[in-house]
Amino acid sequence: QVQLQESGPGLVEPSETLSLTCTVSGGSLRSYYWSWFRQSPGKGLEWIGQIFYSGGPRYTPALMSRVSISVDTSRNQFSLKLNSVIAADTAVYYCARGPLTVAGFFDSWGQGAMVTVSS
Amino acid sequence: DIQMTQSPSSLSASVGDRVTITCRASQNINNYLNWYQQKPGKAPKLLISAASTLQSGVPSRFSGSGSGTDFTLSINSLQPEDFATYHCQQSFASPYTFGQGTDLGIK
Repeated sequence: QVQLQESGPGLVEPSETLSLTCTVSGGSLRSYYWSWFRQSPGKGLEWIGQIFYSGGPRYTPALMSRVSISVDTSRNQFSLKLNSVIAADTAVYYCARGPLTVAGFFDSWGQGAMVTVSS
Repeated sequence: DIQMTQSPSSLSASVGDRVTITCRASQNINNYLNWYQQKPGKAPKLLISAASTLQSGVPSRFSGSGSGTDFTLSINSLQPEDFATYHCQQSFASPYTFGQGTDLGIK
């Protein structure tokens, strides 16, 4: 059973860069897509972007100018960077495996990392 | 972006009840619709993919149906562990979008 774990600072100052890493255990990054999501307090889930194990990221247009996702297969990790953060970027950030198959679902998730943007 | 609208946004029910949650897409998404359950402080858990395919290990009291723009998640004979928030997600086109969630609470 693959397991995912987010790690990174829980507090980021406005205008700085949010950086999170997702470590995958119990399985390989190979042959899968991997995604990042966020969920603001009391709000719905938002897909941020995805990356294939060999690269080729895709992002939601709403964040495309500020976000980057990268992968490190040697460490079985993938990472998220969000630049120029504002208070509205405060959220729980999740990493997940997927989208999978034609159905495009996400079947394994990290426990989530709360990130607060504040000075 | 494809907009997903769930209704109701919240509902209360009792153990043993049958409940139905609706998800409507802003355009035809065929059957590219997935359902997740989320409990407080936890990550979403995949319940149903492709509108109606129950995931391994998910109790058979959960079922999904629909195609095109209108979809439903039904739960027969509610159990205490079913009280949670339910999200629909479309995978027809990127960016993948979710409904706002339906909070299922105990009456």
